[in-house]
Amino acid sequence: DTEVTQTPKHLVMGMTNKKSLKCEQHMGHRAMYWYKQKAKKPPELMFVYSYEKLSINESVPSRFSPECPNSSLLNLHLHALQPEDSALYLCASSQDDHWNYEQYFGPGTRLTVT
Amino acid sequence: AQKITQTQPGMFVQEKEAVTLDCTYDTSDPSYGLFWYKQPSSGEMIFLIYQGSYDQQNATEGRYSLNFQKARKSANLVISASQLGDSAMYFCAMRGFYTGGFKTIFGAGTRLFVKA
Repeated sequence: DTEVTQTPKHLVMGMTNKKSLKCEQHMGHRAMYWYKQKAKKPPELMFVYSYEKLSINESVPSRFSPECPNSSLLNLHLHALQPEDSALYLCASSQDDHWNYEQYFGPGTRLTVT
Repeated sequence: AQKITQTQPGMFVQEKEAVTLDCTYDTSDPSYGLFWYKQPSSGEMIFLIYQGSYDQQNATEGRYSLNFQKARKSANLVISASQLGDSAMYFCAMRGFYTGGFKTIFGAGTRLFVKA
């Protein structure tokens, strides 16, 4: 089973709202990632968790707060977002952080900030 | 610095024909992996094929093959017998030893249109 699940599929939120995106994998992968993707662009890395520890934060604004409660779950907490944060948010996982492992992506959450 | 270049923003191919999507890369990493991903309009990124920098043979996965020319720093994706379901965006990507494997460098992508 090479499935990464993400909920919700779509999210519309106001600039004062607090919401969370959820990602789950049951492949035993030890590296998990959050990406942001704008239309017609490649994904941009936001955060990397390796063995449940935050390894990379690509200078993401603090209104995005990641959390890795256990090795299968990855959350992205959203607060006071801006309209320019509207995008497709993709979660991915890989066996670990070694360079020769492919990443498996979830279907994404389409976020609209109004 | 690492870089992936995909020079074809859009490609058209007739159903059942083969198509080559170009990818060149630049890296000073001694060890690296090259990947191709497919992204249909639904949004999910689907892993297609992997080529390691030390692999002697070109990778193949079903209808997908990777034409790896290390000296030219190219890793072109060949799709044989195109199907309508192959219409999607295709990204070439790289992960390298010096970036610790955490960071995947993506190209700008090539949108493939398969005509019936």
